[in-house]
Amino acid sequence: DAGVTQSPTHLIKTRGQHVTLRCSPISGHKSVSWYQQVLGQGPQFIFQYYEKEERGRGNFPDRFSARQFPNYSSELNVNALLLGDSALYLCASSLFPDSNYGYTFGSGTRLTVV
Amino acid sequence: AQSVTQLGSHVSVSEGALVLLRCNYSSSVPPYLFWYVQYPNQGLQLLLKYTSAATLVKGINGFEAEFKKSETSFHLTKPSAHMSDAAEYFCAVSEAGSARQLTFGSGTQLTVLP
Repeated sequence: DAGVTQSPTHLIKTRGQHVTLRCSPISGHKSVSWYQQVLGQGPQFIFQYYEKEERGRGNFPDRFSARQFPNYSSELNVNALLLGDSALYLCASSLFPDSNYGYTFGSGTRLTVV
Repeated sequence: AQSVTQLGSHVSVSEGALVLLRCNYSSSVPPYLFWYVQYPNQGLQLLLKYTSAATLVKGINGFEAEFKKSETSFHLTKPSAHMSDAAEYFCAVSEAGSARQLTFGSGTQLTVLP
């Protein structure tokens, strides 16, 4: 079975641009979460979606948005990119939103803003 | 609010020696606790989790952790280190009952010396 798939794997953008990151969860998983991992730090929670509805939002500015599609895949959008947005963006999928069911992480998208 | 403190950003052990990675948490409600491992250029892999059952939790690859409420700790151990254990390890906490997001520590880089 395929794991959590994220695309692209690497991306370079210029300050002020917009970026869209994509995530396909494990087949049968209905919940997708997004995390940002800045170099040298632990991941930080951005969003969680379940059954196409937002179930949680972390402390990130409105430049960050996400959505989940009927097939449970998800997109993370970041507008007006800043240098500080450079990070590894991780997607995690699970059967249900609650963490005790276990989250499976993808390999991430490494975003570099120049 | 919850938080995680990982003592020691870098830990070195000799192959065959005991591995001990420290994690202390702060949570206003009963927590769920997790240990994840991250290999270079990869996502996070779940090692083990505590979700209010047995306080001694056994995980994959010979790792285990003990939940000590009185010490607010969840230290990760392995009796004998292997070269393949070299990676970054993250402790994470979420709130039992409303466990929609993980709060991660800043990570501990484990080096295994031959």
